[in-house]
Amino acid sequence: TQLLEQSPQFLSIQEGENLTVYCNSSSVFSSLQWYRQEPGEGPVLLVTVVTGGEVKKLKRLTFQFGDARKDSSLHITAAQTGDTGLYLCAGALRFGNEKLTFGTGTRLTIIP
Amino acid sequence: NAGVTQTPKFQVLKTGQSMTLQCAQDMNHEYMSWYRQDPGMGLRLIHYSVGAGITDQGEVPNGYNVSRSTTEDFPLRLLSAAPSQTSVYFCASSGRGPNTEAFFGQGTRLTVV
Repeated sequence: TQLLEQSPQFLSIQEGENLTVYCNSSSVFSSLQWYRQEPGEGPVLLVTVVTGGEVKKLKRLTFQFGDARKDSSLHITAAQTGDTGLYLCAGALRFGNEKLTFGTGTRLTIIP
Repeated sequence: NAGVTQTPKFQVLKTGQSMTLQCAQDMNHEYMSWYRQDPGMGLRLIHYSVGAGITDQGEVPNGYNVSRSTTEDFPLRLLSAAPSQTSVYFCASSGRGPNTEAFFGQGTRLTVV
């Protein structure tokens, strides 16, 4: 059962454009995490959000946790070719990261 | 600091063979987990452990066994490999609490023929 729906699955945009990736669920999560994965590597954590309505910024990346803690978004401003990769959201139903539920992933390609 | 180390990186098995995927972490993390990643399906939890001697099943446990005799090691055993177990396997570890980071190994790409 896939609890986290991530969209879009694929996204290809020009360098300099803005984009948003969505992660939606009918379940309430204790925390929601965003990862980036490069080919041949494991996922690497970008950010964790734990409070409903929380917004975190990481340079050109903005992460938001929905008020009801069921959804999240990742917004990238002025995309660069170095942003190319697979982005994964993951939710923890209880505190602790031993049982993460992952979204299906968004494969982002930034065209120079 | 090695983090999470998985071996082997690549493996080809024949149907019916057994093998063990190794995972070791050097961060003294209590939590360890195994996931498999298939195209279009993200990562799915196979088994997890919250401490030495304690393991539990995840979303897709059938065909896999685990044990946790030490804090550092969490091996995943395939009892009788099937083509459906062709996948990329990731081991992860983390400390307790909501604001701790989960660290992933580099993965094991397994092909069952």
